[in-house]
Amino acid sequence: DAKTTQPPSMDCAEGRAANLPCNHSTISGNEYVYWYRQIHSQGPQYIIHGLKNNETNEMASLIITEDRKSSTLILPHATLRDTAVYYCIVRSQGAQKLVFGQGTRLTINP
Amino acid sequence: GAVVSQHPSRVICKSGTSVKIECRSLDFQATTMFWYRQFPKKSLMLMATSNEGSKATYEQGVEKDKFLINHASLTLSTLTVTSAHPEDSSFYICSASHRDPDTQYFGPGTRLTVL
Repeated sequence: DAKTTQPPSMDCAEGRAANLPCNHSTISGNEYVYWYRQIHSQGPQYIIHGLKNNETNEMASLIITEDRKSSTLILPHATLRDTAVYYCIVRSQGAQKLVFGQGTRLTINP
Repeated sequence: GAVVSQHPSRVICKSGTSVKIECRSLDFQATTMFWYRQFPKKSLMLMATSNEGSKATYEQGVEKDKFLINHASLTLSTLTVTSAHPEDSSFYICSASHRDPDTQYFGPGTRLTVL
């Protein structure tokens, strides 16, 4: 799977939008971008995934650049409960494995 | 929907004993389940992939005789840590694939402490 690069940590004020970047410059045409998050001492939680179009669900929005070499996860109105480690993962369609990198530790401050 | 449970949530055992961890998909049938291990302040590391009714596929460096995986039904997989030692102390997490095979849903994890 293609490697992803994320900043190790970020801070965001409560109520503001949290924008988490991810670089995946070696992504292949059939590889999707997945985002998961892990709150302390819990299992990871699926957030969103996409191939090339921007995606939005009840949790977040995913913006993928036209060349697909990077993406941004947007939490529109961050709350304290959004404090977690966020993982950006690139994975081929039909591939079973998820390979976790180090992720971004997002801290939402009151 | 797509709820995965694990039991127990925490377990403490003596060195040399075996510990079984259960992973269940509560509201869907999971043809594939995965087992991960996570050390403090580290990322998740895939240990093995388990398909219902067949032998698990272990990642390189994971001892299959030490970490026994059974996936006897579409809703249950078990991980048994045999002859546990203190270095096996870790957070063990399972996940299961929903009907969309590209999305995995994770259990809450099991914290194992070996004394």
